[in-house]
Amino acid sequence: QQQVKQSPQSLIVQKGGISIINCAYENTAFDYFPWYQQFPGKGPALLIAIRPDVSEKKEGRFTISFNKSAKQFSLHIMDSQPGDSATYFCAASRIYGGSQGNLIFGKGTKLSVKP
Amino acid sequence: NAGVMQNPRHLVRRRGQEARLRCSPMKGHSHVYWYRQLPEEGLKFMVYLQKENIIDESGMPKERFSAEFPKEGPSILRIQQVVRGDSAAYFCASSRDRVDQPQHFGDGTRLSIL
Repeated sequence: QQQVKQSPQSLIVQKGGISIINCAYENTAFDYFPWYQQFPGKGPALLIAIRPDVSEKKEGRFTISFNKSAKQFSLHIMDSQPGDSATYFCAASRIYGGSQGNLIFGKGTKLSVKP
Repeated sequence: NAGVMQNPRHLVRRRGQEARLRCSPMKGHSHVYWYRQLPEEGLKFMVYLQKENIIDESGMPKERFSAEFPKEGPSILRIQQVVRGDSAAYFCASSRDRVDQPQHFGDGTRLSIL
């Protein structure tokens, strides 16, 4: 049972455009939602994260939008650059009230930004 | 500031051998997580450890896999009697405090089974 569903699998965007990646989760106990960026041969690097008490969080060109009622969250990359070409993973975790700290990952979105 | 250090970066084993993967967390971090990534897949949680304690091993296969995080030294993920299906990238992450995420990842160990 996949607890975090991510779409699309791949995305091609022109330089300067907006990249949008969506995730949906099932477990309403999740209370922490990070996004990771991974380049080939490297480990995932944390980009930005959100807690469910806010609907949007922005850091530079990266914005997370969070819809608690729909159990969905998305990553928006503004002014996309070729250097943003990477695989992006959403994840979810239950860090309050549970014994686990483990992250549940989506399957990833491979983003290509064309110059 | 050194990040999470994993070694070796690449490991080749023959079927039936043992694989040992090491992870040194970031300075000041006492929580270690191990994840496995298959090609074109997301990361799958395996085990969560604190110093000398296994906190959550719900993602670990029941047989052949074990993990430890001793008082001194790195965390070790051990795979006994490896099989072809164990071929994957294994990532370690560390955090300062479980409640105060985030987890920071190393660059992984790519395990290939011949």
